[in-house]
Amino acid sequence: GEDVEQSLFLSVREGDSSVINCTYTDSSSTYLYWYKQEPGAGLQLLTYIFSNMDMKQDQRLTVLLNKKDKHLSLRIADTQTGDSAIYFCASPGANNLFFGTGTRLTVIP
Amino acid sequence: GAVVSQHPSRVICKSGTSVKIECRSLDFQATTMFWYRQFPKQSLMLMATSNEGSKATYEQGVEKDKFLINHASLTLSTLTVTSAHPEDSSFYICSATGTATYEQYFGPGTRLTVT
Repeated sequence: GEDVEQSLFLSVREGDSSVINCTYTDSSSTYLYWYKQEPGAGLQLLTYIFSNMDMKQDQRLTVLLNKKDKHLSLRIADTQTGDSAIYFCASPGANNLFFGTGTRLTVIP
Repeated sequence: GAVVSQHPSRVICKSGTSVKIECRSLDFQATTMFWYRQFPKQSLMLMATSNEGSKATYEQGVEKDKFLINHASLTLSTLTVTSAHPEDSSFYICSATGTATYEQYFGPGTRLTVT
């Protein structure tokens, strides 16, 4: 199956930008996702990007995709304490999603 | 976006009993539903995939007789943990896809604790 990797932890100060990185192995992925999981809750779809796009921006979120390097990133501008959560990138398989390990973002006030 | 609910959100049961978890798509018809398990501080592990009206497809290593999945309608799937043991304690999350299969919507999860 697909291997999706992320760094486990990221700490940023409130107001700074956060960049969460993800690498994947399946070059045929037609789209890639970012999910957010708050403590004790399910996953919330944040955004997704089609493989024919290099960048997608949605308010404070910017997704960058480098297909050549199979690298995906999520940038959160003006990070707030409410952004503290675990962020998962995910790549679709034939019928399901392959998830990264998740990056725990801690926002320091 | 589409809404998926799970019930109950939290359950504590005694070892040896069975527990049923419901997953519902509230405002769309879910052609496919997925059940995931999440261990503390770990990523999601896909347990099984179910399509309405057919038997679920289980991932390798997941016991189909222990984790019974029923997808009787386009809006409801159930996961029954039979003869639960403490090692079954976990966070169980369902998700569903509609006709736009590139979007998968997740339920809020069910925390199962087996004592």
